[in-house]
Amino acid sequence: ETGVTQTPRHLVMGMTNKKSLKCEQHLGHNAMYWYKQSAKKPLELMFVYNFKEQTENNSVPSRFSPECPNSSHLFLHLHTLQPEDSALYLCASSPTDRGTDTQYFGPGTRLTVL
Amino acid sequence: DQQVKQNSPSLSVQEGRISILNCDYTNSMFDYFLWYKKYPAEGPTFLISISSIKDKNEDGRFTVFLNKSAKHLSLHIVPSQPGDSAVYFCAASAFGTSYGKLTFGQGTILTVHP
Repeated sequence: ETGVTQTPRHLVMGMTNKKSLKCEQHLGHNAMYWYKQSAKKPLELMFVYNFKEQTENNSVPSRFSPECPNSSHLFLHLHTLQPEDSALYLCASSPTDRGTDTQYFGPGTRLTVL
Repeated sequence: DQQVKQNSPSLSVQEGRISILNCDYTNSMFDYFLWYKKYPAEGPTFLISISSIKDKNEDGRFTVFLNKSAKHLSLHIVPSQPGDSAVYFCAASAFGTSYGKLTFGQGTILTVHP
């Protein structure tokens, strides 16, 4: 596997479910990101991790809980979501969390909350 | 308040002609700008970037122009090819104040007709 992978690619869940999104990068990068893209809206940064430490939480509701066990893996734990949380969730990585470092994106997880 | 705006949701161009995609920003702290391209079912991929110390950066068929006084940047694709058909996002960061944080525009769908 190369680049940034995300699983699952599609997820349908009810509002009372608990699920997790997984991201893995094979690029040797130290920074990882979660983005949300809702329909007809810009990509919105959710979280930034650098060397496993969270460096940015963009006022994300607590029903989204990130976890970064090491520099290669990033999870987004979901619980009691709302229908308006339905969106494309993208993971990215970069060598460091400097704004000038190119971010490499995974293909995304299309989430539908019923 | 949307700090990065792409006011044209779509653009249609004939193969071989020039494609010009535009982006405006409001935050004067932004000092690094990027363009990403996204195909369906894939994550965004980095295309080209420009620092605020420059007004032009060129990479093959792609050139980005930055007009700091107008807070405007544009991406020129010459000549356009059908494979360039994708969604193009501009993004900006403020290196000194928001490490790693990219602010994206809402994207422009480019269609290049054979």
